[in-house]
Amino acid sequence: DVKVTQSSRYLVKRTGEKVFLECVQDMDHENMFWYRQDPGLGLRLIYFSYDVKMKEKGDIPEGYSVSREKKERFSLILESASTNQTSMYLCATYTNYGYTFGSGTRLTVV
Amino acid sequence: DQQVKQNSPSLSVQEGRISILNCDYTNSMFDYFLWYKKYPAEGPTFLISISSIKDKNEDGRFTVFLNKSAKHLSLHIVPSQPGDSAVYFCAAISRKKETSGSRLTFGEGTQLTVNP
Repeated sequence: DVKVTQSSRYLVKRTGEKVFLECVQDMDHENMFWYRQDPGLGLRLIYFSYDVKMKEKGDIPEGYSVSREKKERFSLILESASTNQTSMYLCATYTNYGYTFGSGTRLTVV
Repeated sequence: DQQVKQNSPSLSVQEGRISILNCDYTNSMFDYFLWYKKYPAEGPTFLISISSIKDKNEDGRFTVFLNKSAKHLSLHIVPSQPGDSAVYFCAAISRKKETSGSRLTFGEGTQLTVNP
């Protein structure tokens, strides 16, 4: 089975801090995604990548950037965290016409 | 433009009864549909899927129905169990699009509560 690992389950950060969320997959898949989940808004795509050093903006990229230096690792960066970025962040990789998700990172910005 | 919509934010059913979760889509290019289940503080997990060449797919207690003419799909859970209480997301993809990056489009989710 594909394993997608997000480095932190819970994070608390201060406004203005630079935040790194890390995601690692173990199956050499090309396509990786970052979503955030908010009640009533579903899963919204922030960024995705279909190869090393390749990235595409999703629906809500503002305030975020990403890095994909190695195929197995896709990092989401909050350049200057704000309280409206408090959310559940989910990483996924694409497998057999579907996604495998990581366990999620619950980020709180205070 | 919300291409996949789940119009019911929540659904409550009694244990043992049927749960029916609904999903509508607008993009006629979608040809594969999936349902995911999500517990709090966990990532979504795949539940069941259906290709546009079918109108029904069944897996144990879970059945997905697809009505292409109405651009509507539904997930039936029978019998419902308290452990089914979770948020359910509908998702869709067009496998024909070469440049989509294999991107799924999700609905807003429906919170299902199954009462003992």
